[in-house]
Amino acid sequence: GEDVEQSLFLSVREGDSSVINCTYTDSSSTYLYWYKQEPGAGLQLLTYIFSNMDMKQDQRLTVLLNKKDKHLSLRIADTQTGDSAIYFCAVGTSGGSYIPTFGRGTSLIVHP
Amino acid sequence: DTEVTQTPKHLVMGMTNKKSLKCEQHMGHRAMYWYKQKAKKPPELMFVYSYEKLSINESVPSRFSPECPNSSLLNLHLHALQPEDSALYLCASSQGSGGGETQYFGPGTRLLVL
Repeated sequence: GEDVEQSLFLSVREGDSSVINCTYTDSSSTYLYWYKQEPGAGLQLLTYIFSNMDMKQDQRLTVLLNKKDKHLSLRIADTQTGDSAIYFCAVGTSGGSYIPTFGRGTSLIVHP
Repeated sequence: DTEVTQTPKHLVMGMTNKKSLKCEQHMGHRAMYWYKQKAKKPPELMFVYSYEKLSINESVPSRFSPECPNSSLLNLHLHALQPEDSALYLCASSQGSGGGETQYFGPGTRLLVL
């Protein structure tokens, strides 16, 4: 089955850019998502990208996809303290039941 | 409106109690999901309902019993739970379940079993 890996922690200074990385193993993965989870809250869909795209930008968020290396990244520009949360990468394939595989989550800590 | 609501927000129950978690969405989505999430871990899939029929049960113990009364509602009935069942229970929905469907999550119910 699919295996999705993320580093567990990332610490950045307020105002800097954050880059959260994710790797996956199934080359037929078609749909790739980033979710944000603040303490005690549910998962908020941040953005997603399809496998026929290399990049997607949405305000401060940029998603880059390298299909050859099966590598996905989320860049947050001008990181703010409110961006401190756990970020989950989730990967799914087309066809059949849609059950995405989640990474373990990256805890982003933003300090002043 | 991309909102999934869940009640209650918090629940404390003893091991002999019976309680229910509720989830509701009004986006016209036809697939609904229950996940269990332990602290600092990713969500783990429990059940999937597609067009009001149970399509996936990830070998969940029978003390968890899902129910989908209609396309907007999803319940999770709890009975004789164990302390290790304490977790955040998340509901999600998607347009369908045929692949590539974006999931929208509710805020979760934080359950503590004493």
